[in-house]
Amino acid sequence: DAGVIQSPRHEVTEMGQEVTLRCKPISGHNSLFWYRQTMMRGLELLIYFNNNVPIDDSGMPEDRFSAKMPNASFSTLKIQPSEPRDSAVYFCASSLGQGRGLEQYFGPGTRLTVT
Amino acid sequence: GNSVTQMEGPVTLSEEAFLTINCTYTATGYPSLFWYVQYPGEGLQLLLKATKADDKGSNKGFEATYRKETTSFHLEKGSVQVSDSAVYFCAPLSGGSNYKLTFGKGTLLTVNP
Repeated sequence: DAGVIQSPRHEVTEMGQEVTLRCKPISGHNSLFWYRQTMMRGLELLIYFNNNVPIDDSGMPEDRFSAKMPNASFSTLKIQPSEPRDSAVYFCASSLGQGRGLEQYFGPGTRLTVT
Repeated sequence: GNSVTQMEGPVTLSEEAFLTINCTYTATGYPSLFWYVQYPGEGLQLLLKATKADDKGSNKGFEATYRKETTSFHLEKGSVQVSDSAVYFCAPLSGGSNYKLTFGKGTLLTVNP
């Protein structure tokens, strides 16, 4: 079975450029999560969707970040304009839904470097 | 909101040593509890979980017991292997209308041959 798929795996960009990260959740999963991992702040939840609808975006750091889920099999996280402090590993995860004990399955991550 | 206090690393052990990684949490409601593991260069994967008090989650020789009275979920393994070298995360999943995982800072474990 294919797991959560993320692309690109690595992204290097210059400050001020737009960056788009992509995620394909596991087929049949109804919930999708975007996380950011840095040494300083650890693993932070940015936003999550349930049935393609954003439920909680309180973790999105600022207006430069936006996320969409146009259908059940695709989501994007966009940063515009990017800044060096956005450098991190971004993970997408999916789960069967919102319920007690339901496991989240993580993708391999996108390592973003903003110079 | 939820919070997790996890044993600070790094932890360095010799092969076949006993491992304990402490985890205590605060959470709204009655959370489910998870341990995730992250191997170098990879995403997180579920190691084990427990969904109610006194439940014991186990996998690959690792165990953790849901202790509601002490709000703890300590991870243990009787005999670690080099292949267990990774970062371990404790995470409660709060319930209600908003199911979100809250991750601890992670504990880096290095097992030497």
